[in-house]
Amino acid sequence: DIVVTQSPGTLSVSPGERATLSCRASQNVSSNSAWYQQRPGQAPRLLIYGASARATGIPARFSGSGSGTEFTLTISSLQSEDFAVYYCQQYKNWPYTFGQGTKLEI
Amino acid sequence: QMQLRESGPGLVKPSETLPLTCTVSGGSINNHYWSWIRQPPGKGLEWIGYIFYNGNTKYNPSLKSRVSISVDTSRQQFSLNLTSVTAADTAVYYCARHFNIGHPYFDSWGQGTLTTVSS
Repeated sequence: DIVVTQSPGTLSVSPGERATLSCRASQNVSSNSAWYQQRPGQAPRLLIYGASARATGIPARFSGSGSGTEFTLTISSLQSEDFAVYYCQQYKNWPYTFGQGTKLEI
Repeated sequence: QMQLRESGPGLVKPSETLPLTCTVSGGSINNHYWSWIRQPPGKGLEWIGYIFYNGNTKYNPSLKSRVSISVDTSRQQFSLNLTSVTAADTAVYYCARHFNIGHPYFDSWGQGTLTTVSS
């Protein structure tokens, strides 16, 4: 299985600041990665697919980059609703696997 | 707008079978792949398996011997059966739609259903 590792586990940032979340795959997955946001008590929501394409309705402050084994999710100016847990997923090979998540806290 | 809703017993005894159903509304179940994903309390996400509307399936090897997924297109439903459950199978179970054929990331999710394995 491809192991997906996210860092840091928890990121403390102030509203209005920029947040950078990292994701590493144990094998080359090309651009076959996605990012999800999960707020407490809710299902995950697709943010980014294809490493850098924003899903429908996702604000422009969310951006993704990277390819191969290293990926980054950047939130340019944090809003209160952005404080949540973020998951990275690889879908190059099945079983599709997720990282353990990064909690973004105020 | 596509909506998915999971339903199931909520509580299952150890060694028994966990049955869940996902009902799809606001769009057709046809021509899409559908997955089950679970999340143990306080932990991350685990992909369980998927089914295509024509019945083709793929399962996570870690669960393959215990998992079966089926589809009923006439009812706009697909179902999960997980056999011989233990406490480690306690989780929120989500059903989700693949974005498109060949694009196995998940753009629509159900709200999730917590299933507890306990005697």
